[in-house]
Amino acid sequence: DSGVTQTPKHLITATGQRVTLRCSPRSGDLSVYWYQQSLDQGLQFLIQYYNGEERAKGNILERFSAQQFPDLHSELNLSSLELGDSALYFCASSVAITNREADTQYFGPGTRLTVL
Amino acid sequence: KNQVEQSPQSLIILEGKNCTLQCNYTVSPFSNLRWYKQDTGRGPVSLTIMTFSENTKSNGRYTATLDADTKQSSLHITASQLSDSASYICVVSASGAGSYQLTFGKGTKLSVIP
Repeated sequence: DSGVTQTPKHLITATGQRVTLRCSPRSGDLSVYWYQQSLDQGLQFLIQYYNGEERAKGNILERFSAQQFPDLHSELNLSSLELGDSALYFCASSVAITNREADTQYFGPGTRLTVL
Repeated sequence: KNQVEQSPQSLIILEGKNCTLQCNYTVSPFSNLRWYKQDTGRGPVSLTIMTFSENTKSNGRYTATLDADTKQSSLHITASQLSDSASYICVVSASGAGSYQLTFGKGTKLSVIP
């Protein structure tokens, strides 16, 4: 158990819909990262927040957005869903401000999103 | 274009044997290189993290090496166990002005058989 929790574990929805994925980081970690893992693309970095502020953006689509709240939990919002958005979405947390620092990221168990 | 290539794509070894996984990258400017182990359907688990100045780092039976000149890294697994069966992912971070980019390899799928 990494100490990072994600809800829900599974989500099935239809194209065009909007969903929200939730992540609670490990106690004491201020950075939260979101990743997408699909069968054909592998793992991709989406976005990072540190203490409520966006720190870095990866390959995040405009239809996707995220935020980190004062209690440090984070939400990833996916809208106008397409079939290709079906994937595992992972959240990770660390103490570092940025990934440039060589500290350990702890991953949650993931949310499996299926878009029908 | 930043790229990370891992080889082999898949590997089958007998329990107790050693193996080495390769990661070649063209990422600039280099910041750090990470190896992760990922069991099917689970989140990745960090094995090692190396910065530019480090060329070897161990974590139990896992030893990673980094050659920043040739832009190659390897992950050596000693005395393999059935529980080592997983995908191993190499991730390279490039730092820029105030931000960074992560480039992921597609992973090596390792199967350890009795």
